[in-house]
Amino acid sequence: AQSVSQHNHHVILSEAASLELGCNYSYGGTVNLFWYVQYPGQHLQLLLKYFSGDPLVKGIKGFEAEFIKSKFSFNLRKPSVQWSDTAEYFCARGMKRIHGNKLVFGAGTILRVKS
Amino acid sequence: NAGVTQTPKFRVLKTGQSMTLLCAQDMNHEYMYWYRQDPGMGLRLIHYSVGEGTTAKGEVPDGYNVSRLKKQNFLLGLESAAPSQTSVYFCASIRRPTGSSYNEQFFGPGTRLTVL
Repeated sequence: AQSVSQHNHHVILSEAASLELGCNYSYGGTVNLFWYVQYPGQHLQLLLKYFSGDPLVKGIKGFEAEFIKSKFSFNLRKPSVQWSDTAEYFCARGMKRIHGNKLVFGAGTILRVKS
Repeated sequence: NAGVTQTPKFRVLKTGQSMTLLCAQDMNHEYMYWYRQDPGMGLRLIHYSVGEGTTAKGEVPDGYNVSRLKKQNFLLGLESAAPSQTSVYFCASIRRPTGSSYNEQFFGPGTRLTVL
């Protein structure tokens, strides 16, 4: 079965620190990868997505992610975090249409940014 | 455009009670999904639908039923609620993909359900 792994469940950073959240996906098939963010009490919002092409993907709010095929990874980065980035971050893989285009999510990483 | 809406926002049930969660979308999307979110487990797919009148099981379908009688609505039912079904439930929808493309899922605000 396809799976997505996120390495850290909790991350605490000070403002202005750099952020990197790890995400690995299991081997196989077309790769459609996403990072979603969930701010406290809110629904999921798309940060960025990778389908093909340039492996360095830029998203909203200064986030970016790099797809490294040889490592089956899609890590999320931000050079300088802000207090408002406190949220839970989910990596997800999109499955093919024959599988209903469903998303397989990682367990999530809770980021707390200290001001 | 309201996007994806869910009702109710909160609900408390007693073990054995039944209820239905409603998801509605006004984007004319063909595909709809129900997920549950539990701490440390991410979102897990319960059931999904690729069109009006069709449904399919996801990763954790036991204890739930769904119906898609209208394109814009996707109902999730709990016939006999159990404490293990305490969770936050999210609905999502996408436009039908063409060829090998993949479309972004749009999520609703969630329903927080507690089963005592």
